[in-house]
Amino acid sequence: EAGVVQSPRYKIIEKKQPVAFWCNPISGHNTLYWYLQNLGQGPELLIRYENEEAVDDSQLPKDRFSAERLKGVDSTLKIQPAELGDSAVYLCASSLLPPGQGGYEQYFGPGTRLTVT
Amino acid sequence: QKEVEQDPGPLSVPEGAIVSLNCTYSNSAFQYFMWYRQYSRKGPELLMYTYSSGNKEDGRFTAQVDKSSKYISLFIRDSQPSDSATYLCATSGGYQKVTFGTGTKLQVIP
Repeated sequence: EAGVVQSPRYKIIEKKQPVAFWCNPISGHNTLYWYLQNLGQGPELLIRYENEEAVDDSQLPKDRFSAERLKGVDSTLKIQPAELGDSAVYLCASSLLPPGQGGYEQYFGPGTRLTVT
Repeated sequence: QKEVEQDPGPLSVPEGAIVSLNCTYSNSAFQYFMWYRQYSRKGPELLMYTYSSGNKEDGRFTAQVDKSSKYISLFIRDSQPSDSATYLCATSGGYQKVTFGTGTKLQVIP
């Protein structure tokens, strides 16, 4: 069974440029998460989807970040415009069930390492 | 105060040693406790998952939760160089999001 797929693995952009990250979750996993991980820190939730609905986006900086999950499968996270402080690893994860129904086993992708210069 | 506190290490041990990794948490509503392992430039992978207090064992790994002191531990017996990674504790209170610790970097020296 294929794991969570993310692309690109690495991205270097100049500040003020836009950038997009793509995630394909494990087949059948209805819950999808986007996390941000800074160096030496644990993952921090940006947004959680149940199918195509964003059910927790309280930590998503909506002035520059946006996300979508069309058809409840693949998801895209976008930053526009990027700032120096956005340099981090962006992780996508999926789970079979949502947290409230026992879905604490999250499966992570390898992440996209973003460098903003 | 962070909801989950974890010593960042690094922790360096000789091969074969017993490793103890620990976290404390502040929210008494947390009932679900996880340990993830993260190798360099990889995503975290789930190692252990426990509910409420008690112990859970899986091979060389034992997870322990003490809700009275809000303390969670991961023990690794007969540690191997392949165990060298960052270990993240994580907790949740049910419908809440999962909150991760900062991770402890472990190095097992052959």
